[in-house]
Amino acid sequence: DGGITQSPKYLFRKEGQNVTLSCEQNLNHDAMYWYRQDPGQGLRLIYYSQIVNDFQKGDIAEGYSVSREKKESFPLTVTSAQKNPTAFYLCASRRDRVNTGELFFGEGSRLTVL
Amino acid sequence: GENVEQHPSTLSVQEGDSAVIKCTYSDSASNYFPWYKQELGKRPQLIIDIRSNVGEKKDQRIAVTLNKTAKHFSLHITETQPEDSAVYFCAASGGTSYGKLTFGQGTILTVHP
Repeated sequence: DGGITQSPKYLFRKEGQNVTLSCEQNLNHDAMYWYRQDPGQGLRLIYYSQIVNDFQKGDIAEGYSVSREKKESFPLTVTSAQKNPTAFYLCASRRDRVNTGELFFGEGSRLTVL
Repeated sequence: GENVEQHPSTLSVQEGDSAVIKCTYSDSASNYFPWYKQELGKRPQLIIDIRSNVGEKKDQRIAVTLNKTAKHFSLHITETQPEDSAVYFCAASGGTSYGKLTFGQGTILTVHP
């Protein structure tokens, strides 16, 4: 099945620990995105990548890091510098490096920092 | 950068009524405006989109209108059904940050049978 796979679905971590969320797509899409979803705040963009080995900061990049070493993979690291990391994280991809076109989302990862 | 404001945050209607959700955007260079629906516990999915060279687009019971001059666009759902209950997000793309898609805050739509 073609699609986007995020793992893990649920993750619990202690304060001060870095965590990495995985996002893999087999759609052969060029662009990939990470959004954070909090109640009442919509989907806020953390990072996005239009092409391998290149990525741009979104609106709330502080405390997060990403890499895009392979076309199909776009992992997100939530560092200890992120002040409020407990949230639902959504990864998405888009076929082309353009401003239009559908975003395909993964099922999300819920991170809880204790 | 782009800022997208969405209203209302919650909307409650009776089955068969119409529902309207409105969004405004700040970057006049934006040229693509999609709407996503997220059902409870599921991932967001595209339901309709519009490009800046079009003023209105319809797909069965849903329609989107765009006013470029005023920088606002709206989602219209007619003859609402209980299965329309979900969170709806508007978004804008194509502004000065190429490839970036900025979402609104979301509207929780509840359709009462």
